[in-house]
Amino acid sequence: GEDVEQSLFLSVREGDSSVINCTYTDSSSTYLYWYKQEPGAGLQLLTYIFSNMDMKQDQRLTVLLNKKDKHLSLRIADTQTGDSAIYFCAERSGQMGNTGFQKLVFGTGTRLL
Amino acid sequence: GAVVSQHPSWVICKSGTSVKIECRSLDFQATTMFWYRQFPKQSLMLMATSNEGSKATYEQGVEKDKFLINHASLTLSTLTVTSAHPEDSSFYICSASGQGHAYEQYFGPGTRLTVT
Repeated sequence: GEDVEQSLFLSVREGDSSVINCTYTDSSSTYLYWYKQEPGAGLQLLTYIFSNMDMKQDQRLTVLLNKKDKHLSLRIADTQTGDSAIYFCAERSGQMGNTGFQKLVFGTGTRLL
Repeated sequence: GAVVSQHPSWVICKSGTSVKIECRSLDFQATTMFWYRQFPKQSLMLMATSNEGSKATYEQGVEKDKFLINHASLTLSTLTVTSAHPEDSSFYICSASGQGHAYEQYFGPGTRLTVT
């Protein structure tokens, strides 16, 4: 089945860049997403990338996709205290779930400190 | 745009009682809604998917008689945890996808359920 892996923690100094990494197994993934979750809250969609793209930049966020290695990364430039949260990578599986809908498979989340 | 709300944000109930959680899409029509469960410091687990006007489809291992899902309109889905037990205590999050947002799921703020 599909599997998405992330490291559990990342600690950076304010002003530095943060790079959060994610690996996935489903080669038929269509879209890949980054979500942010603050304590006690739901998930906020930060950005997503279509599987035929290599890079996407949105203000301080840069997403890099290496489809050959099934590796996705999120770079946050000039990291601020407000960026402290858990970041989830998710893939929109190419496989149909029980509903016939391409479901999202989430990674374990990376806590950015 | 694409705001999803949940109500209540937290609830405490006694073992054996039932509790209903509402999920609403505020500014778009949600043709599909999803219910997730999240244990502390863990990822989200998809419980079920519901399309408006249809019965929900549950993921393997999720008891449909225990977690009743209704998606009666394009802006509202409800999850009812029936005969709740302490092991049902968790953070329940809904998400919605729909018209104009086919490739994205927008998440609600979550509901923390504690069963005593």
